Amino acid sequence: EADIYQTPRYLVIGTGKKITLECSQTMGHDKMYWYQQDPGMELHLIHYSYGVNSTEKGDLSSESTVSRIRTEHFPLTLESARPSHTSQYLCASSKGQEGTDTQYFGPGTRLTVL
Amino acid sequence: QKEVEQDPGPLSVPEGAIVSLNCTYSNSAFQYFMWYRQYSRKGPELLMYTYSSGNKEDGRFTAQVDKSSKYISLFIRDSQPSDSATYLCAISRGAQKLVFGQGTRLTINP
Repeated sequence: EADIYQTPRYLVIGTGKKITLECSQTMGHDKMYWYQQDPGMELHLIHYSYGVNSTEKGDLSSESTVSRIRTEHFPLTLESARPSHTSQYLCASSKGQEGTDTQYFGPGTRLTVL
Repeated sequence: QKEVEQDPGPLSVPEGAIVSLNCTYSNSAFQYFMWYRQYSRKGPELLMYTYSSGNKEDGRFTAQVDKSSKYISLFIRDSQPSDSATYLCAISRGAQKLVFGQGTRLTINP
């Protein structure tokens, strides 16, 4: 089982609140990712990082921001949550090797914004 | 057009049946092909990967890639209720971002 953790697992919050979703991994992986997944839909990459102090936006536009100050930690922040942000957020990490770069996923955070 | 197309199902079969899950892709530059399994309320976990045309077996699972047709498949033999999950195909061009299919929700009935 992959050593990648996400907290909280479930979050219900009111509109306008600032939230931070935590993600940490103990595998020493350089690359980390945030995906958004709606029920029955594909995973959409919203942010990724190739190492400390490196962050990039993914394919799906998102109002969230990320930071990568430490290798093992990749938090995602929403400054002002809205109902449209309701979704499942999945964090993943990989070694960053050439060829097949297996991504290991955390259990996800299910966010509901009222 | 989506880069990866996957029939979302749902697919329901009796225990012991052979299951076939499929994806098509549009970009011939894709080189690496993966299948992830996602149980309810969990993150996806890698099931199999391959980077060449042909078949790859792992126990009851067989991954098949046909690059000429841009078509990949996952076969599950002797399916078990514990195989009930959503199966996602994922494709990449190397050490790049993965492109995921929509996922097929599979239920194996005892």
